[in-house]
Amino acid sequence: NAGVTQTPKFQVLKTGQSMTLQCAQDMNHNSMYWYRQDPGMGLRLIYYSASEGTTDKGEVPNGYNVSRLNKREFSLRLESAAPSQTSVYFCASSDSGPGAPLHFGNGTRLTVT
Amino acid sequence: LAKTTQPISMDSYEGQEVNITCSHNNIATNDYITWYQQFPSQGPRFIIQGYKTKVTNEVASLFIPADRKSSTLSLPRVSLSDTAVYYCLVGKASYGGSQGNLIFGKGTKLSVKP
Repeated sequence: NAGVTQTPKFQVLKTGQSMTLQCAQDMNHNSMYWYRQDPGMGLRLIYYSASEGTTDKGEVPNGYNVSRLNKREFSLRLESAAPSQTSVYFCASSDSGPGAPLHFGNGTRLTVT
Repeated sequence: LAKTTQPISMDSYEGQEVNITCSHNNIATNDYITWYQQFPSQGPRFIIQGYKTKVTNEVASLFIPADRKSSTLSLPRVSLSDTAVYYCLVGKASYGGSQGNLIFGKGTKLSVKP
């Protein structure tokens, strides 16, 4: 039971390049989330998916797109990377029950030069 | 959305009890209070959750006064391995919904010294 798996763990991009961060969960959770965490900061929500087939913007969606491929997988795409997107990206999932806790992956550390 | 306020940092020594208080003056009737722990280079990990009064598990206790405008995470007899950032979150308890309204602040950086 792996929980939430993120790939890759590390990535370096040049400005303008594109890439997709992958996330998969094996807990049969309905909801999935993408957060970013900058040094010394808390986590900020980029996008979330309440259930398969739906996605919604979070606090900082600009410059990102997401795809809820199926119940297990939720990907985050950077179409044209910018240095401001240098961050650690965390994927999480949760059940749909009241106050259901979030289960996080171990993050993808992205550097844009 | 309920905003939370907690100390930026705290220091403690091994074996002491640590209490971290979080203020959430605008908490709504159906909001839960949830605490997460984050170690360096890892994602946050759920510690404890409560709605009112006191909740205890094998890791921590959570005290919530009657007005629910604050909460206190209590870590008994901390060790070096409890050095981490602790986040207090307040979010709606909605059947069939997601936790997309949860907001992580900067958290409290707890440093445990020998």
